Amino acid sequence: DAKTTQPNSMESNEEEPVHLPCNHSTISGTDYIHWYRQLPSQGPEYVIHGLTSNVNNRMASLAIAEDRKSSTLILHRATLRDAAVYYCILGYFHYGGSQGNLIFGKGTKLSVKP
Amino acid sequence: DARVTQTPRHKVTEMGQEVTMRCQPILGHNTVFWYRQTMMQGLELLAYFRNRAPLDDSGMPKDRFSAEMPDATLATLKIQPSEPRDSAVYFCASGFRGGSGNTIYFGEGSWLTVV
Repeated sequence: DAKTTQPNSMESNEEEPVHLPCNHSTISGTDYIHWYRQLPSQGPEYVIHGLTSNVNNRMASLAIAEDRKSSTLILHRATLRDAAVYYCILGYFHYGGSQGNLIFGKGTKLSVKP
Repeated sequence: DARVTQTPRHKVTEMGQEVTMRCQPILGHNTVFWYRQTMMQGLELLAYFRNRAPLDDSGMPKDRFSAEMPDATLATLKIQPSEPRDSAVYFCASGFRGGSGNTIYFGEGSWLTVV
């Protein structure tokens, strides 16, 4: 499985934008880039995913490098509730194939200061 | 909102006892995952099913762990006999293949302590 590299931890100030980087230099052409986050004492929750183009949703934006070897999760205005571990994961969810799992790494622990 | 439901939420058991964790995936989802999380190892994929058939259980210790889907609304993870090193949070997740890059949805976890 292709691996991702993320910083162990990052800090942000409340109401400021946060850019969480992820390197995935061995990404394959069929790998989607997924981001999940895990709040304390909860299960991981989906944030966003993309393949080649930048993506936006109500939670965040995902900027994908042109060569797809890196990506950045952007939280436009961090809140205290955004303090969590953020996981960048490569995966392919294909019906009928043996692939389709998501392998989590260690993630980035984001702290948000008031 | 539809959600993945796991039971029990918390379980303390003695070493050697059988433990069964249950998961109700989101209605209509055809893929179910079992993950285990510890401080040391992080989130590990134990097994996953598609349309109730096991696709991959290579992450699961075979001698004591077993995972099944008796029907589309129930997935079980059983540990027999349990050991202290099995203490962890066990997450069930479900998803549906439709479109591309499908997301999966996690339950709140079963917090297991084996003493």
